[in-house]
Amino acid sequence: EAGVTQFPSHSVIEKGQTVTLRCDPISGHDNLYWYRRVMGKEIKFLLHFVKESKQDESGMPNNRFLAERTGGTYSTLKVQPAELEDSGVYFCASSLLMLEGTEAFFGQGTRLTVV
Amino acid sequence: AQSVTQLDSHVSVSEGTPVLLRCNYSSSYSPSLFWYVQHPNKGLQLLLKYTSAATLVKGINGFEAEFKKSETSFHLTKPSAHMSDAAEYFCVVSVNTGFQKLVFGTGTRLLVSP
Repeated sequence: EAGVTQFPSHSVIEKGQTVTLRCDPISGHDNLYWYRRVMGKEIKFLLHFVKESKQDESGMPNNRFLAERTGGTYSTLKVQPAELEDSGVYFCASSLLMLEGTEAFFGQGTRLTVV
Repeated sequence: AQSVTQLDSHVSVSEGTPVLLRCNYSSSYSPSLFWYVQHPNKGLQLLLKYTSAATLVKGINGFEAEFKKSETSFHLTKPSAHMSDAAEYFCVVSVNTGFQKLVFGTGTRLLVSP
């Protein structure tokens, strides 16, 4: 069974450009999460989808970030326009249940570098 | 608010010696706690989790952790380090919002020398 997959694995873009990250969760997992780790800091929650609906987007840093999950399958995270401070590793995770204590399965992450 | 503190950013051990990675948590209730590991160029992998059952939790690859409420700790241990254990380890607490929302520690990089 395939795990959580993220594309691309690396992306280098210039400040002001747009980047779209993609996440394919484990098949059948209704819950999908985005997290990110900015340089040298801890991994932080961005948002949580239940199917195609946003359950919690309290961690989204600002309106330059747009997450979608059309059809409740894969998700995209768009950064537009990208700023230098957006550099970091973006992780996607999925889980079967949404209850506290449920195991979340993580992808390898997308390393975003904004220059 | 729930939080975790990983006391060491780096830990160095020799192969075959015990591993201790320290984690303290802050929570107003009995939390769900996890340890995740990230090997180079790999995703985050769950090592073990505590969800108010047995206080001594056994995980994969010989790791275990003990939940100590009196000390608000959840330290990760392994009796004998292997070279393949070299990785970054994250102590994680689940926020009590009724659904899964994880708060990560800053990570501890484990270095294992021959």
